[in-house]
Amino acid sequence: QSALTQPASVSGSPGQSITISCTGTSSDVGSYNLVSWYQQHPGKAPKLMIYEGSKRPSGVSNRFSGSKSGNTASLTISGLQAEDEADYYCCSYAGSRDVVFGGGTKLTVL
Amino acid sequence: EVQLVESGGGLVQPGRSLRLSCAASGFTFDDYAMHWVRQAPGKGLEWVSGISWNSGSIGYADSVKGRFTISRDNAKNSLYLQMNSLRAEDTALYYCAKDNGDLPADAFDIWGQGTMVTVSS
Repeated sequence: QSALTQPASVSGSPGQSITISCTGTSSDVGSYNLVSWYQQHPGKAPKLMIYEGSKRPSGVSNRFSGSKSGNTASLTISGLQAEDEADYYCCSYAGSRDVVFGGGTKLTVL
Repeated sequence: EVQLVESGGGLVQPGRSLRLSCAASGFTFDDYAMHWVRQAPGKGLEWVSGISWNSGSIGYADSVKGRFTISRDNAKNSLYLQMNSLRAEDTALYYCAKDNGDLPADAFDIWGQGTMVTVSS
């Protein structure tokens, strides 16, 4: 159960696009289309932003998109806004009733 | 309104036990898998345990296997986490989270506000 690897921090200016990577292995990200992404503002509970790799829950802005290539999943935020500044976590099913999170990425909007 | 409300956290000595509860409302509880996810102060999210809709499929993180037990009572719309042999490293905010499927493998679409567990002498 090794954590998925995310960059510790990313930054971008309002209106720009950023991408957060999430690298796993062939036992988790690479084997299942069950990667999800969560946004967490300070002092708040996490919020589901993307599930099953690229699906958006109702109410989530279409500025958020997800993708996967091999053992790496990615979250892209386009048209960056101040309220997007938060921590972002990826998560994947890892087989045998096991789930693993990434270490988290702090997004700073400059 | 879809809601998850955790309770049962507190200050406990190392080696002791604690039982967390999560009350669900606003959705058909027994249609979905449920999970516990924790977050140590200033740290990231860590999945703790998940249980399928009928308790037939259960998983645990290696860090809690053999010490924690997840269970649910569909008649009471409630999820539980029995935590035994607690350690300082179990100190965290414990979230209850709803899966968007019936097996504990998909995504956590609803989260509670968490209950804090502090393990210290």
